[in-house]
Amino acid sequence: AQKVTQAQTEISVVEKEDVTLDCVYETRDTTYYLFWYKQPPSGELVFLIRRNSFDEQNEISGRYSWNFQKSTSSFNFTITASQVVDSAVYFCALRLLHSGGGADGLTFGKGTHLIIQP
Amino acid sequence: NAGVTQTPKFRVLKTGQSMTLLCAQDMNHEYMYWYRQDPGMGLRLIHYSVGEGTTAKGEVPDGYNVSRLKKQNFLLGLESAAPSQTSVYFCASSYSTRAYEQYFGPGTRLTVT
Repeated sequence: AQKVTQAQTEISVVEKEDVTLDCVYETRDTTYYLFWYKQPPSGELVFLIRRNSFDEQNEISGRYSWNFQKSTSSFNFTITASQVVDSAVYFCALRLLHSGGGADGLTFGKGTHLIIQP
Repeated sequence: NAGVTQTPKFRVLKTGQSMTLLCAQDMNHEYMYWYRQDPGMGLRLIHYSVGEGTTAKGEVPDGYNVSRLKKQNFLLGLESAAPSQTSVYFCASSYSTRAYEQYFGPGTRLTVT
């Protein structure tokens, strides 16, 4: 069965610092998709990025960047020049392209609570 | 375009009571899902549906039933609520391939006393 590990339970940094959230995944499948979601204090889940297992290009979107390394089964997320509005719980998730056994949803990590202090 | 909506937003039940959570989406998505979120546990899949009239079990299905009579609606039922079902419940929907991201509703906070 697949697994997603977010070892950092909570990270606290001061505004304008850069911060990296780690995500390590486990799967025997060769074709899969990785996602990051943000859950702000209001509680909703906001989609941030999707990456497929064949595309190891890093991606940058404004202050956000993602580093996908298949060799280490990692999909890390970096926020540059953090802001108070970035405070949230961030989830990494995995979905197999071909899943057997019935589980067809996302496999989530337990989340990293990011606190940006002013 | 409301996206994914959930009713109700909050509910308190007594042990043994029953209730139904309603999820509706207006994006014409084929796939719909119910997750529960518990502190320190991330989200876990309860049941899902790949189309109208079909449902399947996820990771933690015990104590729950679901129905998908209409494409846009996905109902989650608790027949006899237990304190262990105290949680935040999220509904999600997506297009009909695994490549696509899931869109989540705002959540329902359920407390069972």
